Amino acid sequence: EVQLVESGGGLVQPGGSLRLSCAASGFMFKSYWMSWVRQAPGKGPEWVANIWEEGGQKYYVDSVKGRFTISRDNAENSLYLQMNSLRDEDTAVYYCARLGVGSGSLDIWGQGTLVTVSS
Amino acid sequence: DIQMTQSPSTLSASVGDRVTITCRASQSISNWLGWYQQKPGKAPKLLIYEASSLQSGVPSRFSGSGSGTEFTLTISGLQPDDFATYFCQQYNSYSQYTFGQGTKLEI
Repeated sequence: EVQLVESGGGLVQPGGSLRLSCAASGFMFKSYWMSWVRQAPGKGPEWVANIWEEGGQKYYVDSVKGRFTISRDNAENSLYLQMNSLRDEDTAVYYCARLGVGSGSLDIWGQGTLVTVSS
Repeated sequence: DIQMTQSPSTLSASVGDRVTITCRASQSISNWLGWYQQKPGKAPKLLIYEASSLQSGVPSRFSGSGSGTEFTLTISGLQPDDFATYFCQQYNSYSQYTFGQGTKLEI
């Protein structure tokens, strides 16, 4: 079964850091672009970052540039999101998602992990 | 940045109805558009990619059309399981993805 499972969410104070992980299984992880997408309570999804198969190309939404870093370990079938200098507005459910082959659509999603930034 | 505008924000319908949701892009995105269904507490689920291609496993009552800046998602013969929130998403460039604000489909 194709599956993505996120972990690492929790409560963190403003200015703090958190590292999210996403474990992939059931498909050839190293062959796919991957994404992080977040969704604040009661809001629509917001794309956060993309990373290509070998990890050399990375793209971010403007609001997280310089604070968040997307990375991957193809040997471990894992995707990561290092989040630094967290702000209240970063509070959201964070999903990892797979880009479809030859497409930018997000065809497989994890169940999400909640990040709450609050003092 | 490319903005996506969805309408309506809320749609009331009945089982068996045919409904249409519209998404407009602030600039041309060719056919690089996806439609997603989301139920409370769950991740979004891809329904349509490249504007009109049906994702594997998605019922054929879902269809998409459009190109450039105007796109539609049509559900023909609403089923009880279809009452959810729907989002469009543009992926014209790997460096910038944008979602619409969503359409809540209510009974």
